[in-house]
Amino acid sequence: DTGVSQDPRHKITKRGQNVTFRCDPISEHNRLYWYRQTLGQGPEFLTYFQNEAQLEKSRLLSDRFSAERPKGSFSTLEIQRTEQGDSAMYLCASSLDGTGNGYTFGSGTRLTVV
Amino acid sequence: GEDVEQSLFLSVREGDSSVINCTYTDSSSTYLYWYKQEPGAGLQLLTYIFSNMDMKQDQRLTVLLNKKDKHLSLRIADTQTGDSAIYFCAERVTDKLIFGTGTRLQVFP
Repeated sequence: DTGVSQDPRHKITKRGQNVTFRCDPISEHNRLYWYRQTLGQGPEFLTYFQNEAQLEKSRLLSDRFSAERPKGSFSTLEIQRTEQGDSAMYLCASSLDGTGNGYTFGSGTRLTVV
Repeated sequence: GEDVEQSLFLSVREGDSSVINCTYTDSSSTYLYWYKQEPGAGLQLLTYIFSNMDMKQDQRLTVLLNKKDKHLSLRIADTQTGDSAIYFCAERVTDKLIFGTGTRLQVFP
């Protein structure tokens, strides 16, 4: 297992288009998190899953955003009708429930909306 | 509320020690973390400390936690040019991490 994988690494899209990102967590990790990071800021929590259940969503996650983790393994984050303000790095992380030793982050997907 | 603050910038000479400071507000934090981010990369976990500990040392890294003042620091001994990056402090609140804005560490020869 090589860690948390995210695909694609970069995405450029026109305003109004839909985009979907994928995250493959570390295989034995049951928790999966999505964060968004804009330039000069720290990552901001969007949502997280325990297995296939989505347990919490941030108020940052507008109704244009939807995340799924259908089989409790990989997850997708879809943004509909993208806006320029959606331009950011979208980071995925995974962890094992009940442990404190940190969350492992992927390299992120950089979204640019033009 | 949940808020994590860090100074924005630190510049040190190679070989000196670096100290990066962080304050947080949520007293229910269970763990506190330090992450490193290099340009264009994701976040790399450096170290973490449980909230009932005062200090943790891991090779060149020393974490100090003052729970009363909600203050966390990361000391990097013998700082090298490869340590140049952005360092994020994060507190774990319930099941998610709350990050600071990051401290950019610049190491000069």
